[in-house]
Amino acid sequence: QKEVEQNSGPLSVPEGAIASLNCTYSDRGSQSFFWYRQYSGKSPELIMFIYSNGDKEDGRFTAQLNKASQYVSLLIRDSQPSDSATYLCARLTGGFKTIFGAGTRLFVKA
Amino acid sequence: GAGVSQSPRYKVAKRGQDVALRCDPISGHVSLFWYQQALGQGPEFLTYFQNEAQLDKSGLPSDRFFAERPEGSVSTLKIQRTQQEDSAVYLCASSPPKADTQYFGPGTRLTVL
Repeated sequence: QKEVEQNSGPLSVPEGAIASLNCTYSDRGSQSFFWYRQYSGKSPELIMFIYSNGDKEDGRFTAQLNKASQYVSLLIRDSQPSDSATYLCARLTGGFKTIFGAGTRLFVKA
Repeated sequence: GAGVSQSPRYKVAKRGQDVALRCDPISGHVSLFWYQQALGQGPEFLTYFQNEAQLDKSGLPSDRFFAERPEGSVSTLKIQRTQQEDSAVYLCASSPPKADTQYFGPGTRLTVL
């Protein structure tokens, strides 16, 4: 079992819809989670980080963390074609490592 | 302000050659990370520095990989006797003090023929 699992997609949603991206992890001790966006041929850029159970909202983005069920999700409201990218879920280990999932490709159709 | 920079952006090496990849972190960032990203995969952790100290090198795939950061700023990732499986994008990231968020450089795409 991979430490951080994501559906590779592609996930296709129409413009204006809500895109829901999910991630599960295997280490119950994980405390900190991150969502990065990576456009093709570019480097990852941080969108959200979340430490506590529940929801965290930032503009059109909402991160949700459920430690009991060991999943993290990212909701993108009012999806735009410019949101089309690969979304990487990551967790910070107790040391210094950040473990990334393989990413979910999102396509937002105009 | 200036972000993380990496050079070269692209490197083609013949199998068996040695390569050196450079990372200039954001000024004042004490933490520096190297990752390897294969096509269609997420970044894989290679190593971590706090200032000049290499605190974790557990992700380096073999003893052909070596990283240094002698003055706590610029870092170099060296790969000796390159193999085709070393072909990937090598990403460098840095973090400011007491922060978990990482800022990535543009990466170096290494192709080993």
